[in-house]
Amino acid sequence: EIVMTQSPATLSVSPGERATLSCRASQSVSSNLAWYQQSPGQAPSLLIHAASTRATGTPARFSGSGSGTEFTLTISSLQSEDFAVYYCQQYNNWPTTFGQGTKVEIK
Amino acid sequence: EVQLVESGGGLVQPGGSLRLSCAASGFTFSSYAMAWVRQAPGKGLQWVSSISRSGGGPYYADSVKGRFTISRDNSKNTVYLQMKSLRAEDTALYYCAKDLGFVDYWGQGALVTVSS
Repeated sequence: EIVMTQSPATLSVSPGERATLSCRASQSVSSNLAWYQQSPGQAPSLLIHAASTRATGTPARFSGSGSGTEFTLTISSLQSEDFAVYYCQQYNNWPTTFGQGTKVEIK
Repeated sequence: EVQLVESGGGLVQPGGSLRLSCAASGFTFSSYAMAWVRQAPGKGLQWVSSISRSGGGPYYADSVKGRFTISRDNSKNTVYLQMKSLRAEDTALYYCAKDLGFVDYWGQGALVTVSS
């Protein structure tokens, strides 16, 4: 099973600032990597798939990069609605696995 | 508009059974794989099971293999998760998911609580 490790566990950022979240895979997952946002009390929602392709409706301030084992989600200028938990997921190998999440909180 | 609506959650004793249903609408159900993903209280996401568009596969997480069964009825646009021999560690919010490998649409979840 591929282990996905996200860092940091918690990121404290001021509104308007840039946030950079990391996701590392225990072995290569090519570009088969997705990012999700989960706000409190809500189901997750897809932000990015194929490591860098924004899902329909994902604002341009969200960008994904990386391939192989190292991936990054960048939020260029944090808005109030962006304070949430973010998960990465690899879907290159079964079982598909998620990272443990990064909580982005208001500084 | 894509909608996934779960039902069937509830409180069950350890060793008991429960069947979750997910009614799908807003897309051609028979053209897509479907999945169940769960989230224990205060924890992260765990993929539980997937089924192909024709009912093939299916795939299960090791933690539920032999106890859970996924199935679908394309005539009813519904996917099911039959859960048996439930354990306390199965307590979670179970999300129905449209499966492209990644999930592009999620339901709102059905809460399953396993407790005596």
